[in-house]
Amino acid sequence: QVQLVQSGSELRKPGASVKVSCEASGYTFTSYSINWVRQAPGQGLEWMGWINTNTGNPTYAQGFTGRFVLSLDTSVSTAYLQISSLKPEDTAVYYCARSHFYGSRSDHYYKYDMDVWGKGTTVTVSS
Amino acid sequence: QSVLTQPPSVSGAPGQRVTISCTGSSSNIGADYDVQWYQQLPGTAPKVLIYGNNNRPSGVPDRFSGSKSGTSASLAISGVQAEDEGDYYCQSYDKSLSGPWVFGGGTKLTVL
Repeated sequence: QVQLVQSGSELRKPGASVKVSCEASGYTFTSYSINWVRQAPGQGLEWMGWINTNTGNPTYAQGFTGRFVLSLDTSVSTAYLQISSLKPEDTAVYYCARSHFYGSRSDHYYKYDMDVWGKGTTVTVSS
Repeated sequence: QSVLTQPPSVSGAPGQRVTISCTGSSSNIGADYDVQWYQQLPGTAPKVLIYGNNNRPSGVPDRFSGSKSGTSASLAISGVQAEDEGDYYCQSYDKSLSGPWVFGGGTKLTVL
């Protein structure tokens, strides 16, 4: 079945870095972009960015540039989120989600939903 | 502060009709971009409930429906059930620097 399997929980000290993985199975990995979404404790969903799995080109949301890097290893159908110089406020659950195009024309660039989600990876930043 | 505004909470008794609003602007919903709705039950990952304003993925009960008008969208749950209790998020495309994808702040549904 179609699924995204994320790596396990991480505990890091401030200033360290972390790399979260998201392994896809059950479909052609390079046919769907992967989104990353952050959910801080008790807070809502925040879109961080997405990566085109065909070209490897990432797009970052405002507020997620510099310390955040999205990457791929298509040989193992896996997307990665790396966060450097971790801060306590980076403590959150990080989700990967597949972008599904439901449009019918090439100019329907906005017709995407996030149809498959990983279970989330908890990253805790604490000294 | 989210680009899309939702009420923090709504509630309803089992069997009642509940609606959740999502208010945007001329850079997202008002620009005729589609709205998606996601359901997040306690301790689980979000799940798409409505895509393209009013389309349900297979497996989503027909008591869930979506609509859009102007700069706002709504999710309606007709005949709310105890198992529907959780958080609901709207999402759309945004052509400003906030985007391209933006979520609402989320609405907690309590079934009384």
